[in-house]
Amino acid sequence: QSALTQPASVSGSPGQSITISCTGTSSDVGIYKFVSWYQQHPGKAPKLMIYEITKRPSGVSSRFSGSKSGNTASLTISGLQAEDEAEYYCCSYAGSSTPYVFGSGTKVTVL
Amino acid sequence: EVQLVESGGGLLQPGGSLRLSCAASGFTFNYYSMNWVRQAPGKGLEWLSYISSDSSSILYADSVKGRFTISRDNAKNSLYLQINSLRDEDTAVYYCARQGLWFGEPKYYFDYWGQGTLVTVSS
Repeated sequence: QSALTQPASVSGSPGQSITISCTGTSSDVGIYKFVSWYQQHPGKAPKLMIYEITKRPSGVSSRFSGSKSGNTASLTISGLQAEDEAEYYCCSYAGSSTPYVFGSGTKVTVL
Repeated sequence: EVQLVESGGGLLQPGGSLRLSCAASGFTFNYYSMNWVRQAPGKGLEWLSYISSDSSSILYADSVKGRFTISRDNAKNSLYLQINSLRDEDTAVYYCARQGLWFGEPKYYFDYWGQGTLVTVSS
């Protein structure tokens, strides 16, 4: 199972919106509604930001939103803030034998 | 408050073995499926293994199948990962991660993570 493809880096100025893509295949992202997104600050554990493509856990800012089209899922951060600077990983369910595949990660830089 | 605390990492030689532990608190451990995920230095996340709430279902990534063994002790609120025949490429931070649950149905995401334990394999 290959890693999902994410851009290595995305940047934006404070207040702007950015979108991170996550491209998989018809065996993972394309077939399941179980795409999640994780934020990881340096030296810290990942934090769940989005699950089941569009849902936000309690406590996660509404500035974070998710979507999916075909084999590509996306995470949008609106009203970019300095605290959003981190690494972001997507993850998709990929079936009952090897259930999870992560994306390659995207470094978000706030200019 | 949900807490997951990993332990057992350290500096080990190739070919050696170790057992990682994850102590859970702040939730009813025996309701939840659990997972191990690792992150090599400067690299991305890699899912390793899954265990259902009652240990009846266990899954491994192909990259670790045969060398890694996941287990849990619900009486001790603990999750374990036995790693044998250590290789240089096993050097990573190892995280335990709780799988989501919604009205008794496991969900396919990780809602809580531990802080990780570093395993360094080097001669």
